[in-house]
Amino acid sequence: TQLLEQSPQFLSIQEGENLTVYCNSSSVFSSLQWYRQEPGEGPVLLVTVVTGGEVKKLKRLTFQFGDARKDSSLHITAAQPGDTGLYLCAGVGGNKLVFGAGTILRVKS
Amino acid sequence: GAVVSQHPSRVICKSGTSVKIECRSLDFQATTMFWYRQFPKKSLMLMATSNEGSKATYEQGVEKDKFLINHASLTLSTLTVTSAHPEDSSFYICSARRGYNEQFFGPGTRLTVL
Repeated sequence: TQLLEQSPQFLSIQEGENLTVYCNSSSVFSSLQWYRQEPGEGPVLLVTVVTGGEVKKLKRLTFQFGDARKDSSLHITAAQPGDTGLYLCAGVGGNKLVFGAGTILRVKS
Repeated sequence: GAVVSQHPSRVICKSGTSVKIECRSLDFQATTMFWYRQFPKKSLMLMATSNEGSKATYEQGVEKDKFLINHASLTLSTLTVTSAHPEDSSFYICSARRGYNEQFFGPGTRLTVL
């Protein structure tokens, strides 16, 4: 069974601070995805990383896929209140997505 | 872009009744759709994989007679919660797969069983 450990589970920070969310697994994934979800809505895909060592940037968000394709990180620079939400990593394993437990991020102004 | 819709967005029902939730891929064909359940402030829990024209594959611990899934066409899958009870109250989300590993999620359905 493939498992993804995501940390931290909760993060409450002030506007302007930086943060990093981690996803780790003992399994290799063909690719890994990051989603953001707001209350009462479905998850929205932020990025897919495919190649080991890959780094992708989306404005203030930087995503990294580990060299061995077992781990990934999401770094947010100068967080804004609009970044508040549930962040989910998901590994693509065979036919399904394997989701991490999620990180609830709250950015206070 | 790829759009997935769910209907209804919210439903309140009495205990013992059945509720049907529809998931549609609006601008692409999806041979595979997935149904998830999500508890407050928690991650998504995969319930079943729905394949067009064949029986759904349920995850361990999910009662197939309780959660009936029908993938009627390449753009429609339905989840029926039969004889719903308050413990079935949850946020149900579907996703539709396009290509090899692109999944697009619906907006979710909030089910409240009184």
